[in-house]
Amino acid sequence: KNEVEQSPQNLTAQEGEFITINCSYSVGISALHWLQQHPGGGIVSLFMLSSGKKKHGRLIATINIQEKHSSLHITASHPRDSAVYICAVRGISSGSARQLTFGSGTQLTVLP
Amino acid sequence: KAGVTQTPRYLIKTRGQQVTLSCSPISGHRSVSWYQQTPGQGLQFLFEYFSETQRNKGNFPGRFSGRQFSNSRSEMNVSTLELGDSALYLCASSLDRNIQYFGAGTRLSVL
Repeated sequence: KNEVEQSPQNLTAQEGEFITINCSYSVGISALHWLQQHPGGGIVSLFMLSSGKKKHGRLIATINIQEKHSSLHITASHPRDSAVYICAVRGISSGSARQLTFGSGTQLTVLP
Repeated sequence: KAGVTQTPRYLIKTRGQQVTLSCSPISGHRSVSWYQQTPGQGLQFLFEYFSETQRNKGNFPGRFSGRQFSNSRSEMNVSTLELGDSALYLCASSLDRNIQYFGAGTRLSVL
């Protein structure tokens, strides 16, 4: 079982729809990151959170530490939101566990 | 403020050769991490450097090595290239395990 599981793997939505991407993890973490990767490879960090909720524009990220679960929401989705969204966690154990471990990503396509 | 710069952007090598990739972090960032991204394995952690010291190493063979210089610039080296080393290699810098700022990556093709 992977340490970080994302769902769904693929998501197609119509412009304007509310979108939710989920991330579950199995280890204790110090922080969880949400990343966005556009075609061509460039990665942008969207959020880093260790508790609660963060909002930036139309993007909202939440985390429930007890349930080891995080969600990324996109309100009023737009075709330019089409990208791969990746969840990554940083463990709290010593040594190599403190590295970032990544989910397999969610390919989002927003149709006009 | 300039972003993270990776050079070269594209590289084609043959099996058995070695390659060196370079990463210049955002000014003031002392933490540099390297990642490998392949279609089959996704993103995987390679190394993390902070103030010229390797803090972490991922589960990769010894053919993969790296270093960080006093100006925080970092290089990674892969010796005796194999076909499976074909990947996008990404570098990210941060103040210290905070928000990661990624470079555009170096796409390595091994023929």
